[in-house]
Amino acid sequence: DVKVTQSSRYLVKRTGEKVFLECVQDMDHENMFWYRQDPGLGLRLIYFSYDVKMKEKGDIPEGYSVSREKKERFSLILESASTNQTSMYLCASTQAVTLYGYTFGSGTRLTVV
Amino acid sequence: GNSVTQMEGPVTLSEEAFLTINCTYTATGYPSLFWYVQYPGEGLQLLLKATKADDKGSNKGFEATYRKETTSFHLEKGSVQVSDSAVYFCALRSGSGNTGKLIFGQGTTLQVKP
Repeated sequence: DVKVTQSSRYLVKRTGEKVFLECVQDMDHENMFWYRQDPGLGLRLIYFSYDVKMKEKGDIPEGYSVSREKKERFSLILESASTNQTSMYLCASTQAVTLYGYTFGSGTRLTVV
Repeated sequence: GNSVTQMEGPVTLSEEAFLTINCTYTATGYPSLFWYVQYPGEGLQLLLKATKADDKGSNKGFEATYRKETTSFHLEKGSVQVSDSAVYFCALRSGSGNTGKLIFGQGTTLQVKP
């Protein structure tokens, strides 16, 4: 089974802290994605990556950055956490071919206080 | 551009009732279509998929048929259980190679009562 692992299920951070959310996949997928999910707003794409060291902005990149130094790992960085970044964060990966859907991690529920 | 529209929830059913969640899409070309399920506090799991017209995806008693003529991919289950309570997302993936991002509907919450 393809596995996408997010490093933390629950995280509480203080306003202004630098926060790292880690995501690792074990199926050699080319593409990786970070979403946030908020009630009533559905899934919103933050950043994605098609290859190592490549990144592209999604729909809501402000306040976030990403890093992909190795194919299997895609990190989401909150440079200075704010309370409006309290959310559920979901990582996903997939092959480039459009026949395939995404495989999601279990999510990280981040609370910024 | 590509888009997915789902029926709004929440949908509340009694156990053993028949379920339909409507999904229609707009896309150029020939997209692949997916249903995902999200149980409380979890990430999304692929429930079923169809990659060409008239394909039927099925899994765990759920079914959906790719209808190109009506641009629809409605999710059905003959007899729901309490354990089916979750949020269901319809999605499509179109384009080629790296441009083929997954487009999600807004999600439909299903609550099944005993």
